[in-house]
Amino acid sequence: QEQLVESGGGVVQPGRSLRLSCATSGFTFSSYGMHWVRQAPGKGLEWVAIIWYDGTKKYYADSVKGRFTISRDNSKSTLYVQMNSLRAEDTAVYFCARGPYYYDGGAYFPHYFDLWGHGTLVTVSS
Amino acid sequence: QSVLTQPPSVSAAPGQRVTISCSGSSSNIGNNYVSWYQQLPGTAPQLLIYDNNKRPSGIPDRFSGSKSGTSATLAISGLQTGDEADYYCGTWDRSLSAWVFGGGTKLTVL
Repeated sequence: QEQLVESGGGVVQPGRSLRLSCATSGFTFSSYGMHWVRQAPGKGLEWVAIIWYDGTKKYYADSVKGRFTISRDNSKSTLYVQMNSLRAEDTAVYFCARGPYYYDGGAYFPHYFDLWGHGTLVTVSS
Repeated sequence: QSVLTQPPSVSAAPGQRVTISCSGSSSNIGNNYVSWYQQLPGTAPQLLIYDNNKRPSGIPDRFSGSKSGTSATLAISGLQTGDEADYYCGTWDRSLSAWVFGGGTKLTVL
């Protein structure tokens, strides 16, 4: 069945780096946009980043722009996020999510998240 | 401060109907599809409504969505204790080139 499995979370000191992975199976990974969404303890959902199906477009939340890099390997059906210069406020459960597009007025736009992973916890603390 | 505004909490008795509002602007809700997500305690979010008012397979018709202008509404009828969860609206914001979520609404079934 269709599945997303995140890994790579853990405890990291402020200012250090961490790379999360999202292994996918059961669907044609290369046909979908993919997102990272995070949730700080006791807080709501916060979108982090999106990467287009072919990796040509990437967009980021202002809170992570310049520090996080989303990428994908379609040959391995895997999504990544490289997180640098980590801060305490980056502490959260990180979910990967599949995101179809819709077409409107000559452009494609993210549509919704129809498949989510279980999440991986990142704790930034000294 | 979320771009989309939801009430922090709503409550109702089993069997009753409740609505959750989601308010935005012309750059997000006003010109894009709205989706809704249910997050049961300790679990990942799940798609509940997409394209403003469509339900994925497996979602009961007790859940419905609507959109008017720059606001959207999730309605849940025939409330059950198992519906106790956090509910989030979301959409793409064309001005920000970013996905935006509401702050979430905690549903309590009394």
